[in-house]
Amino acid sequence: GENVEQHPSTLSVQEGDSAVIKCTYSDSASNYFPWYKQELGKRPQLIIDIRSNVGEKKDQRIAVTLNKTAKHFSLHITETQPEDSAVYFCAARIREYGNKLVFGAGTILRVKS
Amino acid sequence: DTEVTQTPKHLVMGMTNKKSLKCEQHMGHRAMYWYKQKAKKPPELMFVYSYEKLSINESVPSRFSPECPNSSLLNLHLHALQPEDSALYLCASSQEGTANQPQHFGDGTRLSIL
Repeated sequence: GENVEQHPSTLSVQEGDSAVIKCTYSDSASNYFPWYKQELGKRPQLIIDIRSNVGEKKDQRIAVTLNKTAKHFSLHITETQPEDSAVYFCAARIREYGNKLVFGAGTILRVKS
Repeated sequence: DTEVTQTPKHLVMGMTNKKSLKCEQHMGHRAMYWYKQKAKKPPELMFVYSYEKLSINESVPSRFSPECPNSSLLNLHLHALQPEDSALYLCASSQEGTANQPQHFGDGTRLSIL
């Protein structure tokens, strides 16, 4: 199907710890995987993305890894801060269903200070 | 700063009303999108316009009617909506409409149907 599975649905971490969110996809032809952060009452904001010709990408405290063989990708946030608390959505470009971006169900991240 | 601007921010309407949501971007993007987002759920794609032509309609009911007057503007005309249509309506844009380019979202219009 066209689903993108995302886990966990909620994640609580202590400030300074790392957080990892995982997504799996079904379309082996998928080649673009963005991650969005959405704070309460605000718009989704692109925080990092990765293409299928790359295995890992980093931007300061945020990194994304991609395993094309297993068809999963993960978001890693290190040294978490209270302002990282938000809902995080993964997404994948699904070509077999009309070339669109399909979002995972979201992960509520709470960083406790 | 939001590069995709949506108006109005909030809209309350009755089931017999006709209203329009507006979206504007000045990034030179050639693809624009409408998404619907319910509370605690991910955005759900409704329509995609690429080079001002409708390229994807996700089987959206005809009470939602999109319009793309030019490459910078996107409208969503609403008529005879149902209470279950209450949601946050997000507009987004990207350089191309192939879904492998970053999509930039507006702040959304929070729609309530009475």
